[in-house]
Amino acid sequence: AQKVTQAQTEISVVEKEDVTLDCVYETRDTTYYLFWYKQPPSGELVFLIRRNSFDEQNEISGRYSWNFQKSTSSFNFTITASQVVDSAVYFCALSEARNSGNTPLVFGKGTRLSVIA
Amino acid sequence: EPEVTQTPSHQVTQMGQEVILRCVPISNHLYFYWYRQILGQKVEFLVSFYNNEISEKSEIFDDQFSVERPDGSNFTLKIRSTKLEDSAMYFCASSEDLAGKSYNEQFFGPGTRLTVL
Repeated sequence: AQKVTQAQTEISVVEKEDVTLDCVYETRDTTYYLFWYKQPPSGELVFLIRRNSFDEQNEISGRYSWNFQKSTSSFNFTITASQVVDSAVYFCALSEARNSGNTPLVFGKGTRLSVIA
Repeated sequence: EPEVTQTPSHQVTQMGQEVILRCVPISNHLYFYWYRQILGQKVEFLVSFYNNEISEKSEIFDDQFSVERPDGSNFTLKIRSTKLEDSAMYFCASSEDLAGKSYNEQFFGPGTRLTVL
C-alpha cells in the first residue's frame, strides 16, 4: 500500500526566512511519481511539481527547490526567502506508474505554512 | 488555457437529501476523478471513471455515491442521502489517455464545498 507522511502539521516562519517542508513516502512500486500541491486559503489545488522515481536530480524553480532522496524515501520542499503569499497548506502526493498512465493520487495530510510579515 | 470547471462552488443541503455535484472536464480528456477533502484533512481519492464505467474506487465510495457522464461534457457525482460527515470539499480532476505514457497529469477543478446541515 502507498502512504505519504508529512510529519509537520503546522509551521510558522517570519518573512524572508527559508523553510523546508518534509515528505516521506512508502510504496512497493519501483516506478512511481511524487508531487507537491499548494492549497491557498481560497481552497483550490495548485500543482507545483511532479518528479519521476528514476530522476533523483534536485530541482529549483525560482524560490522553490525540491530534494528527492530515494535512499530515505523523502521528497522535501524548500522555500527560500519566504513571502506572505506563500502562506498555504502544502500537500505531498504519490502515484504509482502504470501502463495506462492514469492512477489515483495518494496525498499526505498536508503542512500548513504561515509566513508572518 | 483549458481548465476543469465545477458547479456549484458551494452547496448547502439538509441531511438525507440527494445532491449532484457537477464537473466539466477538459474536452479531450478521457479519465475523470473525484476526490474529497474533509475540512482540515487530507485530499482523498473517491473514484476514477473511464470509458463510461468506474475504473477504480476507494473504500469511501460506498453505495451512497454514484458517478455518471450524462452527456459529452459533464461528469457528475451523486450522493443519494447525504450525511453530516459528507460535508467536505469535492474536487474533480481529468487526465488524457495518451498511449505509452506511464503517467498522464491530472488537472484539478476549483472544488465544490458541500455543507450538510
